[in-house]
Amino acid sequence: QKEVEQDPGPLSVPEGAIVSLNCTYSNSAFQYFMWYRQYSRKGPELLMYTYSSGNKEDGRFTAQVDKSSKYISLFIRDSQPSDSATYLCAMKGNSYKLIFGSGTRLLVRP
Amino acid sequence: GAGVSQSPSNKVTEKGKDVELRCDPISGHTALYWYRQRLGQGLEFLIYFQGNSAPDKSGLPSDRFSAERTGESVSTLTIQRTQQEDSAVYLCASSLRTGAGETQYFGPGTRLLVL
Repeated sequence: QKEVEQDPGPLSVPEGAIVSLNCTYSNSAFQYFMWYRQYSRKGPELLMYTYSSGNKEDGRFTAQVDKSSKYISLFIRDSQPSDSATYLCAMKGNSYKLIFGSGTRLLVRP
Repeated sequence: GAGVSQSPSNKVTEKGKDVELRCDPISGHTALYWYRQRLGQGLEFLIYFQGNSAPDKSGLPSDRFSAERTGESVSTLTIQRTQQEDSAVYLCASSLRTGAGETQYFGPGTRLLVL
């Protein structure tokens, strides 16, 4: 079993929809949780960074962490075609090693 | 300012040949990381450099893989006697310091295809 599980998709939604992306994990030592966005043939770029449990909002993006369930989510409101990309969750404990999910491909249809 | 840069952006090589991949981190970043991303997969940690400390090589998949870093600047990842299973995107990242709360910034990657 992988330490971090993420549905690969693809997830196809119409423009303006609310998108929900999720990851589950098994290591209770993880404390830092990130979402990266990766456009085709580009490197990952950091979208959201959360420490421990709770919610964090930044514009149209909301990250949620539920450590009791070992479950994290990224919500995208009013999705745009430019949001079409692969979304990678990543997490770490008290070290520098990031553990990544396999990524979810998102397609927002105009 | 400039982000992390990597070269070449694409590399096609024949099985058995050696390849060298280069990473230029963000200026002033003391920590540097290499990852491998196979098609449809997440990123796998390969190696980590922090200043003049001994690197963490625990993610290197075999002794055909090695990496060097000169001080707090350029790093090269070398793959000797390449195999077809080495085909992947090799990503480099850097962070200002080491620490669990530090953000890693990624380069665009080098796409390696071994024929």
